[in-house]
Amino acid sequence: GQQLNQSPQSMFIQEGEDVSMNCTSSSIFNTWLWYKQDPGEGPVLLIALYKAGELTSNGRLTAQFGITRKDSFLNISASIPSDVGIYFCAGQNSGGSNYKLTFGKGTLLTVNP
Amino acid sequence: NAGVTQTPKFRILKIGQSMTLQCTQDMNHNYMYWYRQDPGMGLKLIYYSVGAGITDKGEVPNGYNVSRSTTEDFPLRLELAAPSQTSVYFCASSYDEWAEQYFGPGTRLTVT
Repeated sequence: GQQLNQSPQSMFIQEGEDVSMNCTSSSIFNTWLWYKQDPGEGPVLLIALYKAGELTSNGRLTAQFGITRKDSFLNISASIPSDVGIYFCAGQNSGGSNYKLTFGKGTLLTVNP
Repeated sequence: NAGVTQTPKFRILKIGQSMTLQCTQDMNHNYMYWYRQDPGMGLKLIYYSVGAGITDKGEVPNGYNVSRSTTEDFPLRLELAAPSQTSVYFCASSYDEWAEQYFGPGTRLTVT
């Protein structure tokens, strides 16, 4: 099946710093999604990207859909303690039964106040 | 609006025991999913359903069964629990295959 490589695996930063994480795939996706999972909770959708080259923001979060359709990036600016959690990328394709999500392994973010 | 609810939150099983993980959504979503999350890993799809009476296997279905008798409920059944099924299980639902998936809070299962 399709594989997603998400990096870094974990990050430990100071409050106020900016954060970048990315996902790469061996094959193309038509949609890239970024989720956040708070401790003890289920993932929540942060940003959805539907077009190659698309750059989308949600508050302090900005995500981009790579031109090759094989990668995506998530940036968090001016981090705050509540940004702590696991961030997952997910890819989705179209056509037939290929709509099911493929998830990366996650980036664990720790923010030191 | 409760969204997606899962019970129980935690469970410890002995090898060979069986149990059912419950999932209910109140958003009238057609699509429902079961995922498992192992430490340091992404979510893996176990089973999914596109509507009442229709279910299909995901990436890791072995050792599990599902049913979908109503739109609201999508229980996951473990018949003979094995240590390899120790994981956190998430149920999710969406309006259709392209809509946002809403996740429940998860069930943490330990098989010893």
